[in-house]
Amino acid sequence: DSGVTQTPKHLITATGQRVTLRCSPRSGDLSVYWYQQSLDQGLQFLIQYYNGEERAKGNILERFSAQQFPDLHSELNLSSLELGDSALYFCASSVGGLAGAEQFFGPGTRLTVL
Amino acid sequence: QKEVEQDPGPLSVPEGAIVSLNCTYSNSAFQYFMWYRQYSRKGPELLMYTYSSGNKEDGRFTAQVDKSSKYISLFIRDSQPSDSATYLCAMTRATSGSRLTFGEGTQLTVNP
Repeated sequence: DSGVTQTPKHLITATGQRVTLRCSPRSGDLSVYWYQQSLDQGLQFLIQYYNGEERAKGNILERFSAQQFPDLHSELNLSSLELGDSALYFCASSVGGLAGAEQFFGPGTRLTVL
Repeated sequence: QKEVEQDPGPLSVPEGAIVSLNCTYSNSAFQYFMWYRQYSRKGPELLMYTYSSGNKEDGRFTAQVDKSSKYISLFIRDSQPSDSATYLCAMTRATSGSRLTFGEGTQLTVNP
């Protein structure tokens, strides 16, 4: 158990809908990352927050947004869902937010868009 | 061309074998290198972390980095059926924050 928690574990929804994925980092970690893992793209970085501030952004779609709250938990919002958004979404956390920080992953949320 | 190339396998070995997993990368800006293990689409688990060329050993696992050749390896000695998983290499640049760039993963099966 990495200490990173994610809810829900599974999510099944329809195209066009909006969902929210939640992540709680390890105790003491200030940085949260979101990754998407699909069968054809592998693990892809989406976005990073450090102590409430956006630190880095990857190829995150405009339909997707995230935020980190004062208690350091983070939410990833996915809207206008498409079939291709079906994937595993992982949250990771690290103590610091700079290059080389060791990242510990949560168990993931499996999103299925029908 | 992908920044990080990893043979997806699958790789099947008998119990007790030495396993060699490899990744190559194209961008010399990558400075920090990790290996993650992922069981059946569960959360990736950090196995090894290195930031310099050379070898790092942890139990049955040895991580090797050759920055001049842009090549990293993970060796597993005395492989066990419990090592059956997908192994992902990952790396970060010194200037892009902590975002990890992953290889596509190698699926390993260790047969009893």
